[in-house]
Amino acid sequence: SQTIHQWPATLVQPVGSPLSLECTVEGTSNPNLYWYRQAAGRGLQLLFYSVGIGQISSEVPQNLSASRPQDRQFILSSKKLLLSDSGFYLCAWGEGLGNQPQHFGDGTRLSIL
Amino acid sequence: EDQVTQSPEALRLQEGESSSLNCSYTVSGLRGLFWYRQDPGKGPEFLFTLYSAGEEKEKERLKATLTKKESFLHITAPKPEDSATYLCAVQGVTGTASKLTFGTGTRLQVTL
Repeated sequence: SQTIHQWPATLVQPVGSPLSLECTVEGTSNPNLYWYRQAAGRGLQLLFYSVGIGQISSEVPQNLSASRPQDRQFILSSKKLLLSDSGFYLCAWGEGLGNQPQHFGDGTRLSIL
Repeated sequence: EDQVTQSPEALRLQEGESSSLNCSYTVSGLRGLFWYRQDPGKGPEFLFTLYSAGEEKEKERLKATLTKKESFLHITAPKPEDSATYLCAVQGVTGTASKLTFGTGTRLQVTL
C-alpha cells in the first residue's frame, strides 16, 4: 500500500532563516506531488505541483520554492522566511490520471518568530 | 474559476442525532467531487469520490450524495469519534495535474 511521510511535524524558525520541508511517498511510481498551505478558516491553498522529476509548477507567487530531485521526493524551500509564511503545510500525492483523489501527509506546523 | 462553499461552518450534534453537511460547487465541468475528514493537527483523510449526479457512496455512518450543483454528506446516528472537520473538494475539466479546489470545511462536534 502507498504511504506518504512528511517531516518535521512542527518547526519554529526565526524571520529571515532558510527553510526545507521534505515529503516522500512509498508504494507508487511517478505520482503527481503537491504542496498545500492551510490557514485557519480558509481552504487548502495549492502552492506547487509536480508531474515528474524536475517539473515544478507554481500556483501562487510567493517567497517559497519547490523541487523534486527524485520520483517520490518533494521538497519545499525558502531562502529567507517571512512572518507571513507561518501556517500548516501539507504534502499530497495523486495518480497521474485525472479524477483521482489526492492523499495527504500529516503536515508540518510552521511558526515564524 | 472553480468554487466550493460548505455549510454550516460548524455543527454540534448529540450522539445519535443524524444530520447532513452541504457542499455547493461551481465548476466548468466536473471530473470528480471528493470528501475528506480532517482531525486536528493532521492531514485530510480521503473518504469518497463522486463522479456524476445521482451517485451515492456509503461508509459506516457516512453517506455522500451528488447533484449537479451540490453534494451532501449524511451522518446517521453519529458517535463522538465522528467529531472532525469535513472537507469537500472538486476537480474540473480545466487545468492540469488533477488540481483540486477545496471548501473551508464543516467542523463537526458530536457530544454524549
